[in-house]
Amino acid sequence: NAGVTQTPKFQVLKTGQSMTLQCAQDMNHEYMSWYRQDPGMGLRLIHYSVGAGITDQGEVPNGYNVSRSTTEDFPLRLLSAAPSQTSVYFCASSYSSGEDYGYTFGSGTRLTVV
Amino acid sequence: GENVEQHPSTLSVQEGDSAVIKCTYSDSASNYFPWYKQELGKGPQLIIDIRSNVGEKKDQRIAVTLNKTAKHFSLHITETQPEDSAVYFCAAKRLTFGKGTMLLVSP
Repeated sequence: NAGVTQTPKFQVLKTGQSMTLQCAQDMNHEYMSWYRQDPGMGLRLIHYSVGAGITDQGEVPNGYNVSRSTTEDFPLRLLSAAPSQTSVYFCASSYSSGEDYGYTFGSGTRLTVV
Repeated sequence: GENVEQHPSTLSVQEGDSAVIKCTYSDSASNYFPWYKQELGKGPQLIIDIRSNVGEKKDQRIAVTLNKTAKHFSLHITETQPEDSAVYFCAAKRLTFGKGTMLLVSP
């Protein structure tokens, strides 16, 4: 089925470890974003990309890196995990043609940093 | 940048009642306002959206209204059902979300 696929669904990391959250979409969407969801904080934008080779920072980018080498993939890298990065992470993609369009979200990655 | 305020944070209604969730935004240049529904353990799902050239949009039991002068927009759910229970998020433009409203519909 067409959509946004995130892996893994669950992950436990030790403080200081690094890892990459994977995100892939098969809808040929140019626009992709990463959000984190914490209780009472809603969805906060980490990084986003308007197309292959182009990325930009969102509201809470510190401690995270992204790259966009293809239209389909938009991985999120945690450089040195901290307990404050314990959260649920959502990847989302959207059609882009000069106007804003709604997102299709993945099912999320629940990350715990101990 | 854009700032979106959403109220209430929790809303409890009886089955069959109407529910209204309100959002305000700060950037007068914003022209796209989507609403998402998030069920437990799932990602948010787009349920309805509205652009600034339209004042109201309906889709069966849900509707969204927009007041550009006052910079606020609202989600209206009529004849609520238990399966409407979820967290609802508004957004302005594509990127900026409100903090969410937990809607509880009691049978």
